[in-house]
Amino acid sequence: GEKVEQHESTLSVREGDSAVINCTYTDTASSYFPWYKQEAGKGLHFVIDIRSNVDRKQSQRLIVLLDKKAKRFSLHITATQPEDSAIYFCAPSGSFNKLTFGAGTRLAVCP
Amino acid sequence: NAGVIQTPRHKVTGKGQEATLWCEPISGHSAVFWYRQTIVQGLEFLTYFRNQAPIDDSGMPKERFSAQMPNQSHSTLKIQSTQPQDSAVYLCASRDWGSYEQYFGPGTRLTVL
Repeated sequence: GEKVEQHESTLSVREGDSAVINCTYTDTASSYFPWYKQEAGKGLHFVIDIRSNVDRKQSQRLIVLLDKKAKRFSLHITATQPEDSAIYFCAPSGSFNKLTFGAGTRLAVCP
Repeated sequence: NAGVIQTPRHKVTGKGQEATLWCEPISGHSAVFWYRQTIVQGLEFLTYFRNQAPIDDSGMPKERFSAQMPNQSHSTLKIQSTQPQDSAVYLCASRDWGSYEQYFGPGTRLTVL
C-alpha cells in the first residue's frame, strides 16, 4: 500500500519568513495531493490541493509544488503569520477518496 | 451550515463494552468517510460510503468494527467488545461528490479503560 512520509516532524520559522513542508509518497497511482491543517484541540481543515495534471498551484500565500518523478510534493507558506502555527498533514490519494496521511509536520511561527 | 457533526465528543467505556459513534454529514454531501487518529499510528482511513452504500472498508479491523449509513443524514461506527487499543479520536468527514475536499468533523475521543 501507499507509504507517505513527512521527514520534518517540527519546523520553526520567524514571522514573515517562508516555510516549506515536504511530503514523499510511494504509490505511482496517486493523482490527488491535498494538505490539511490541524490546530491545537481542533479538527482537520483543508488547506490546499493539487492534482497530478499540474505541477504548481498557488492560493494567496500558499503554494503547492508537485514532482511526480521524485514522488514528492511540498507546501510553501509565504509571509508566515502566527495563525499559521499548526500541524500540517499531507494526504496523497489515488482516488480522491481514501486519503493516506503523513505523520504531520508541526509548524511554529515565532514572532 | 453547521459542518460535520459528531456525537458524542467524548466517550469512556470499560473494556469489553460496546461503543457507537455518530456522524451527521454536511447536508447534500453524498460521501462519508471514517478515519481514526492515534499518537502511535497517526491518521488512518477506516471506511467510506457513497450515497449510503459501503464502497471501501479496507481500513476497518476485521473483527469488532462495523459501520453503517442507514440514511443520508447519518452514519454510525460501532465497536463491539472494546479494547484499550481502540482508544483513539475517531473522525468523520463528508464530501460533495462534485468536489475533492473532505470536510472533517471535530471527532469523537474514545477512551477504553
